[in-house]
Amino acid sequence: GAVVSQHPSRVICKSGTSVKIECRSLDFQATTMFWYRQFPKQSLMLMATSNEGSKATYEQGVEKDKFLINHASLTLSTLTVTSAHPEDSSFYICSARAGTRRELAQETQYFGPGTRLLVL
Amino acid sequence: DAKTTQPPSMDCAEGRAANLPCNHSTISGNEYVYWYRQIHSQGPQYIIHGLKNNETNEMASLIITEDRKSSTLILPHATLRDTAVYYCIVRGMSGYSTLTFGKGTMLLVSP
Repeated sequence: GAVVSQHPSRVICKSGTSVKIECRSLDFQATTMFWYRQFPKQSLMLMATSNEGSKATYEQGVEKDKFLINHASLTLSTLTVTSAHPEDSSFYICSARAGTRRELAQETQYFGPGTRLLVL
Repeated sequence: DAKTTQPPSMDCAEGRAANLPCNHSTISGNEYVYWYRQIHSQGPQYIIHGLKNNETNEMASLIITEDRKSSTLILPHATLRDTAVYYCIVRGMSGYSTLTFGKGTMLLVSP
């Protein structure tokens, strides 16, 4: 299957600082990228969806000014957690989907390995 | 997208087949069934997907009932590395349709 990478794999930061997480599709062009968040012992929750060159669409309850998403190219999306606080500590996972098939539902969504964020 | 129901946990002996059920009784005709798994502290891994026909790949087989209201993921020879949370997800045809994760089934493969 296709490969999606994330960097960094884990980060520890002080409260009030900003953290940027990169997501790259290594062997395909990702028309659409997704950002999920997963708290301990819970399932993945979709935060936002972004299409290359467009503004991200955020899920209800996700602050767009706090979680800045940039999808500037077909292989790179970034999530910046601004003014991070301890409650933002979580496992952030990106996902990417190509857009070459006529039936988009047939387009498999691939996930990165995740970034564990700890805000002190 | 239709909701799915999965047992919270299952056990399987190493080397035996693991059969993971999923109920999606409200699935509509143009929705696909996707299976992913998540090994602890990793991102989800795509396993297989199907619409109405049974599917098989190098990882698993997907059996979808004729009425499409349920499906079974089969790992033919489970290994310890197959221990993970398995998610059954129904996804619509629209390009706007996303993957919504439920609680999944925690499969524990034991020696």
